[in-house]
Amino acid sequence: GAVVSQHPSWVICKSGTSVKIECRSLDFQATTMFWYRQFPKQSLMLMATSNEGSKATYEQGVEKDKFLINHASLTLSTLTVTSAHPEDSSFYICSTKRKTPDKYSTDTQYFGPGTRLTVL
Amino acid sequence: GQNIDQPTEMTATEGAIVQINCTYQTSGFNGLFWYQQHAGEAPTFLSYNVLDGLEEKGRFSSFLSRSKGYSYLLLKELQMKDSASYLCAVMDSNYQLIWGAGTKLIIKP
Repeated sequence: GAVVSQHPSWVICKSGTSVKIECRSLDFQATTMFWYRQFPKQSLMLMATSNEGSKATYEQGVEKDKFLINHASLTLSTLTVTSAHPEDSSFYICSTKRKTPDKYSTDTQYFGPGTRLTVL
Repeated sequence: GQNIDQPTEMTATEGAIVQINCTYQTSGFNGLFWYQQHAGEAPTFLSYNVLDGLEEKGRFSSFLSRSKGYSYLLLKELQMKDSASYLCAVMDSNYQLIWGAGTKLIIKP
């Protein structure tokens, strides 16, 4: 079953408004969550690494004042897109660090279902 | 720089076998992952390779050659539901996942 949920699944908003996306770890206390963005027919792009109780680590080129990340508990991280513009329209996906269900039991990432953001 | 290459798109026939290749150049190596992503959905974990050789999991197998910087995902007895994008990702020396652009696999009846 799903181990990571996201809400909302999709959102349409007007340019200039802010949008909050929630990412929940359903059955696991996630000290680390990741936020990705994916444009059509392109690869996943890591935006930031969210650590519970501390500031997120942003990738180069990602504006931390525009994409606010809050990881206030071990099961919830939020991404707020502030003053959204049409170029922010994308598929936003969060993931948690989990162990692979095989003999290696190594760290990998399990993804939420994603949030499709459309900014008009 | 770090780079992962995989074909953009492949087409195969239902019931057949298809091999999706992935080559990588990364700063360090801590394993290679394959994910499946259906259109409009998030990726789901398929397999992990850290040692050379073949890992088999049902209809799917994944192979790794660290000396060649090469991996492939082999899908047997293709079904229409296997139509998806397949993402190759490498964990580098900092334990960060470096993602390929994905290979869109189209299955025809």
